[in-house]
Amino acid sequence: DAGVIQSPRHEVTEMGQEVTLRCKPISGHDYLFWYRQTMMRGLELLIYFNNNVPIDDSGMPEDRFSAKMPNASFSTLKIQPSEPRDSAVYFCASSLGGPDTQYFGPGTRLTVL
Amino acid sequence: GQNIDQPTEMTATEGAIVQINCTYQTSGFNGLFWYQQHAGEAPTFLSYNVLDGLEEKGRFSSFLSRSKGYSYLLLKELQMKDSASYLCAVRRGYKLSFGAGTTVTVRA
Repeated sequence: DAGVIQSPRHEVTEMGQEVTLRCKPISGHDYLFWYRQTMMRGLELLIYFNNNVPIDDSGMPEDRFSAKMPNASFSTLKIQPSEPRDSAVYFCASSLGGPDTQYFGPGTRLTVL
Repeated sequence: GQNIDQPTEMTATEGAIVQINCTYQTSGFNGLFWYQQHAGEAPTFLSYNVLDGLEEKGRFSSFLSRSKGYSYLLLKELQMKDSASYLCAVRRGYKLSFGAGTTVTVRA
């Protein structure tokens, strides 16, 4: 299997712009998780889906952040408008049957100037 | 809420043993994970403890005491490639909360 795929790997944008991060989970996995990692706050769960349905979005920082999963093989995390404090590495992870063994994607390093 | 503590840094010599401690306080607990993360890379799964006791997997072992809110990851026969950050994560329901990570540096 190709593993979890994320794109882009690096994104540099200016404050106020819309940013869309993409994730393709491992085929057959029914859970998908979006995380954010910064030096200050470590690795934080933003939102997770089960069978394409958002289950818990309590970690989403504010209304500027939104996530969708239109089908089992694709999810997006959107930030609109972006701010410098959103600069971080965003990871997507997927698993089967629960969070027991999550497989992380390579991450998207976002820099907002 | 959850409070997860682990040391910031540890240094050890190649071939030695290192023990990384993790203490946690949580209002709910369904298990504890250890992940390894090399610089600039994604976290990779190492172990998952649900019940008390020691789980051994090759050179890595993980221990859990639920009554004490305590876990450790034991790395034996250290190799240079073990230099990485080690993240302790507590599971509550279907959510994981991660500690800040312990950076282990292995020296020749």
